[in-house]
Amino acid sequence: AQKVTQAQTEISVVEKEDVTLDCVYETRDTTYYLFWYKQPPSGELVFLIRRNSFDEQNEISGRYSWNFQKSTSSFNFTITASQVVDSAVYFCALSEPNTGFQKLVFGTGTRLLVSP
Amino acid sequence: SQTIHQWPATLVQPVGSPLSLECTVEGTSNPNLYWYRQAAGRGLQLLFYSIGIDQISSEVPQNLSASRPQDRQFILSSKKLLLSDSGFYLCAWSGLNGHEQYFGPGTRLTVT
Repeated sequence: AQKVTQAQTEISVVEKEDVTLDCVYETRDTTYYLFWYKQPPSGELVFLIRRNSFDEQNEISGRYSWNFQKSTSSFNFTITASQVVDSAVYFCALSEPNTGFQKLVFGTGTRLLVSP
Repeated sequence: SQTIHQWPATLVQPVGSPLSLECTVEGTSNPNLYWYRQAAGRGLQLLFYSIGIDQISSEVPQNLSASRPQDRQFILSSKKLLLSDSGFYLCAWSGLNGHEQYFGPGTRLTVT
């Protein structure tokens, strides 16, 4: 069965520090998708990125970057020069595309606290 | 652009009372629709999903039900709430060929 593990329950950093959120996944599918979502205090989940299993290129978007490594089944998320507005719970998720629709399996989330 | 609405935003209900949460999507047709529950400090649990009108699948057995009377409307209901039904309920949609899901603002339900 598919599983997503986010071992870091909570991380606290000071503004401008870099921080990496870990995500390890398990799947028997050869085709799958990985996602990161941000949940700010308001509660709404905000989509950040999608990665398919055939594309291991790292991606950078502003201060955000993602490192996908199939060899270690990891999809880690790094925030460079963190800001207070980055404080949120971050979820990693895995999609099971063979079910005919996009069922997401979520990790338990990592709460990031960025203090000024 | 597509938007997703949920209401109410917060709800406090006594045990044994009925429940109706509504979700509507604008700006897209034939979306896949989803209901999730997030218990306090926990991850998201998929409750129901729908690929079309009156086509509902349940992921977990419980006293909740879902309905989709219109293409872009998804309703979560219960005849009698339990204390364990408390949580944050999120509705989401995805396109037929898309893989990412887009979430609504959520409803925070407290059962007393």
